[in-house]
Amino acid sequence: DIQMTQSPSSLSASVGDRVTITCRASQGISNYLNWYQQKPGKPPKLLIHNTFSLQSGVPSRFSGSGSGTDFTLTISSLQPEDFATYYCQQSYSSPYTFGQGTKLEIK
Amino acid sequence: QITLKESGPTLVKPTQTLTLTCTFSGFSLDTGGVGVGWIRQPPGKALEWLALIFWDDDKRLSPSLASRLTISKDTSKNQVVLTMTHMDPVDTATYYCVRRPLRGQNWFDSWGQGTLVTVSS
Repeated sequence: DIQMTQSPSSLSASVGDRVTITCRASQGISNYLNWYQQKPGKPPKLLIHNTFSLQSGVPSRFSGSGSGTDFTLTISSLQPEDFATYYCQQSYSSPYTFGQGTKLEIK
Repeated sequence: QITLKESGPTLVKPTQTLTLTCTFSGFSLDTGGVGVGWIRQPPGKALEWLALIFWDDDKRLSPSLASRLTISKDTSKNQVVLTMTHMDPVDTATYYCVRRPLRGQNWFDSWGQGTLVTVSS
């Protein structure tokens, strides 16, 4: 199985901050990396697929980058509605594993 | 509008078999490339991918749970069924039904609201 490791596990930031979350795969996954946002009591929401591609309706302040084993999710200017938990997921090979999550909290 | 909804028991006893049904609308499992799967999340923990079934009846199962999992589809009813045998308290989780929208692209663009399954005697 491909292991996905996110860092940090939690992060405190303020509205307007630029935030970066990292995801590392245990082996190369090309660009088959996806990002989800989950708010308490809700299902995850797909933000970005295939490293860069913003899902329809997702604000442009979200962006993704990376290739191979190292990937990042960047939020350019945090908004109040962005405080949530973020998960990466590899879609390179089955089983389609997730990272352990990064909880983004208000400072 | 795409919707998925999970249904099944909220409480099962250890050693019992869990059967969950995903009923979906807004797309068809007859469409080439489409898949429907299951992902679970124990309370306060991370997401775990379980299973996926494709339009052509191909299936993928989590290797760590494959001996306990079965996934099937009824295209005429727009339903996918997941069974998990030998349930244990560690299987307590919210179980989500998800859609894989495109051939070869194993990301999940639509999710059900989830159903919390508690395993307890």
